Amino acid sequence: AQSVAQPEDQVNVAEGNPLTVKCTYSVSGNPYLFWYVQYPNRGLQFLLKYITGDNLVKGSYGFEAEFNKSQTSFHLKKPSALVSDSALYFCAVRQAGTALIFGKGTTLSVSS
Amino acid sequence: NAGVTQTPKFQVLKTGQSMTLQCAQDMNHNSMYWYRQDPGMGLRLIYYSASEGTTDKGEVPNGYNVSRLNKREFSLRLESAAPSQTSVYFCASSGWAGMNTEAFFGQGTRLTVV
Repeated sequence: AQSVAQPEDQVNVAEGNPLTVKCTYSVSGNPYLFWYVQYPNRGLQFLLKYITGDNLVKGSYGFEAEFNKSQTSFHLKKPSALVSDSALYFCAVRQAGTALIFGKGTTLSVSS
Repeated sequence: NAGVTQTPKFQVLKTGQSMTLQCAQDMNHNSMYWYRQDPGMGLRLIYYSASEGTTDKGEVPNGYNVSRLNKREFSLRLESAAPSQTSVYFCASSGWAGMNTEAFFGQGTRLTVV
């Protein structure tokens, strides 16, 4: 069975500093990996995905993620955090023919 | 651009009452999903429909039923609501499973069972 782990409930970073939100996954075959963001009282918005190809994926709002097959990780990164990046971030995994499974989420707090 | 539309947005039920949450998408997606979101639990899959005419149980299906009415619509029914079903419910849709496209989400239904 596929699963996703986000080891940090909360990540705190100062504005202008780089940020990393961690994600590890477990699947039996090739993974399809996604990051979503949720702002308060809103639905989920897609940020980026890894399907195949280049291990570094670029997405919306300056975010990027690095796929590491040997470490089964897909960490979300941004070179310079903004206060407006503060939100709840979800990592998700899917295999072909299956449903999208989410991690428990990581709250990102960016201070000014 | 409607995307995924859920109704209602808010609902309060008494224990034992029934209700149906409606979801419709206009993106011609084959796959549709129902999730519930609880604090500290992330999004947990209730039911999944890979295509019209098929449904599969997810992680937390007990107390729920679903109907994939047609390609556009996927409803979630609570036959006898319990306080443990107090949650925020999200419907989502995506391209056919084999295409591995991202899922698009509705705005959610906040359900309180008293």
